[in-house]
Order: sequence, then C-alpha cells, then structure tokens
Amino acid sequence: RKEVEQDPGPFNVPEGATVAFNCTYSNSASQSFFWYRQDCRKEPKLLMSVYSSGNEDGRFTAQLNRASQYISLLIRDSKLSDSATYLCVVNSGGYQKVTFGTGTKLQVIP
Amino acid sequence: DAGITQSPRHKVTETGTPVTLRCHQTENHRYMYWYRQDPGHGLRLIHYSYGVKDTDKGEVSDGYSVSRSKTEDFLLTLESATSSQTSVYFCAISEWNTEAFFGQGTRLTVV
Repeated sequence: RKEVEQDPGPFNVPEGATVAFNCTYSNSASQSFFWYRQDCRKEPKLLMSVYSSGNEDGRFTAQLNRASQYISLLIRDSKLSDSATYLCVVNSGGYQKVTFGTGTKLQVIP
Repeated sequence: DAGITQSPRHKVTETGTPVTLRCHQTENHRYMYWYRQDPGHGLRLIHYSYGVKDTDKGEVSDGYSVSRSKTEDFLLTLESATSSQTSVYFCAISEWNTEAFFGQGTRLTVV
C-alpha cells in the first residue's frame, strides 16, 4: 500500500460546481497534513494546511479524519483558474520525511 | 515567496556524463529535499538533508548522490547520467513539521 494515495482524476467539472478530493494515508503516526496546488510545468505551492478541527480559506475547505486516515479538500463555486493538480502531502515526523501523493487533476470547464 | 533557487533551470547532457544540480536557500531552513517528478509517478524523494553534512536516502536514490556542506546549499549529483534520469527535479526546504517550499525546478534531459 502506498503511503499516500489519491485518485488521479481527471475531475472535469463545470464552473460554479462544488468538487471534493480525498486522500488516504497509511501511517497512523503522521503528524501534519497539507494540500498543495501544482500548475502545469510549475513547482508545487502550498494551498492550505489541514488541521484536526478542519479549516476554511475562502472557497476552500480542508478536513482531517484521523480515525479513517484521510484528508479531504472541498472547492466550492469552482473557477476556471482552479484548474490544476492538487497534491496531498503528509508529514510523518522523525527527520521530517514529507510524502506526496501523486496528485488529483482538476479541470474546470466553462 | 520563499528564497529558494535552483540552477541550472534547464540542462541537456549526454549519457555517461556527470551532472550536478544546485539548490540554494536564503531562509536558513534546516531540512532540504531533492525530488524528481515524472508523469504517472508524482513527486518522488531522491535524498534529503536534516542538517549540514547530514543526509539520507529517499525512495529513488540509486544513481544519485548529494552533499550539504553549508546550510544554504544542497547539491544533487548524477555521477553518470542515464536516459532514465531525464526528469524534472525539484528542490524543497522546510522546518520541523512545517510546510515545504519548492524551487522552480530543473528540467534535465539525458540524450
């Protein structure tokens, strides 16, 4: 089993739609979690951290479920500019080995 | 944006030649990483460093070596480049349990 797993997609959604991505992780001792966004041929950039209590940033909501070992990202009112690949990232502590999922591709359609 | 730069940004080299990629940071972050990214595989960790002269292997370390003689610099060396090492290479930095910041990437082509 991979340490971090994501559905690769692509998710093709119309503008204005709500879309959700899940990411599962295998190490129950994982300590911190993030969602990154990566545009084509660019470096990944932090979208948001994921906290146990859940957190929201504008149209984006991230949640963590430790019992089931998954994190989620919800995007409301999708914009064309949201089209990108979204990477789930898990930090298992120790010497801070950071593990990336392979990413979920989102395409928002006019 | 975090102060992290990679050089060169693009390189074409011949099979069997040595190649060194450089990652330089101005953030004084303790941890530095080298990843490669290939279609269908996502980001895969090559090597990482948790301090000056302290490095460890990642999941795809064969054919690569690293050095970190100063906090700000992390070098990735391909001793004898092969076509399978054609990829996009990203350097990243972080502190303990925090998010990672990435350089802009190096596109390496081995012909």
